[in-house]
Amino acid sequence: AQSVTQLDSQVPVFEEAPVELRCNYSSSVSVYLFWYVQYPNQGLQLLLKYLSGSTLVESINGFEAEFNKSQTSFHLRKPSVHISDTAEYFCAVSGSGGSEKLVFGKGTKLTVNP
Amino acid sequence: NAGVTQTPKFQVLKTGQSMTLQCAQDMNHEYMSWYRQDPGMGLRLIHYSVGAGITDQGEVPNGYNVSRSTTEDFPLRLLSAAPSQTSVYFCASKTGVGTEAFFGQGTRLTVV
Repeated sequence: AQSVTQLDSQVPVFEEAPVELRCNYSSSVSVYLFWYVQYPNQGLQLLLKYLSGSTLVESINGFEAEFNKSQTSFHLRKPSVHISDTAEYFCAVSGSGGSEKLVFGKGTKLTVNP
Repeated sequence: NAGVTQTPKFQVLKTGQSMTLQCAQDMNHEYMSWYRQDPGMGLRLIHYSVGAGITDQGEVPNGYNVSRSTTEDFPLRLLSAAPSQTSVYFCASKTGVGTEAFFGQGTRLTVV
């Protein structure tokens, strides 16, 4: 069965500082990996995804994530955060054994302080 | 396109009452799913469907029923509401394995 572990439930940082949100997954077969973002009182939006190919994937707003198969990790990074990045971030996995089920981690609440 | 539409946005139920949370999508997606979101628990899968007439249980299915008579609609039924079902419920749809899931705005349900 697929599972996702997000190692930090809350991450406070100052504006313009770098940030890394950690995600590990468990699956013995190839999977697809996603990061979703949830702004307050809204639904989830896709931030970026890894399907195959280059292990480094980027979003349009400066986030990037690197797929590491040996460490079964998909950590999310941004070199310089803004106040507007304050949100909850969810790592998710699907595709194990052809399963369409999308399994989420428990989320990391990123708070960017001025 | 409206995307994924959930109704109602807010609902208060008394213990033992029944209700249906509605979910509709206009993107012709085959795969639809229901999640509940609770503080510190992330999103947990309740039920999902890979196409009209096909449904299956997720991680936390007890107390919930679903059906999928059309591609567009995937209602979630609470047969006898309990306080433990107080949560925010999200419906999502996608085209297939490895594709982006689109989420509704959520239904905030309180059971008293």
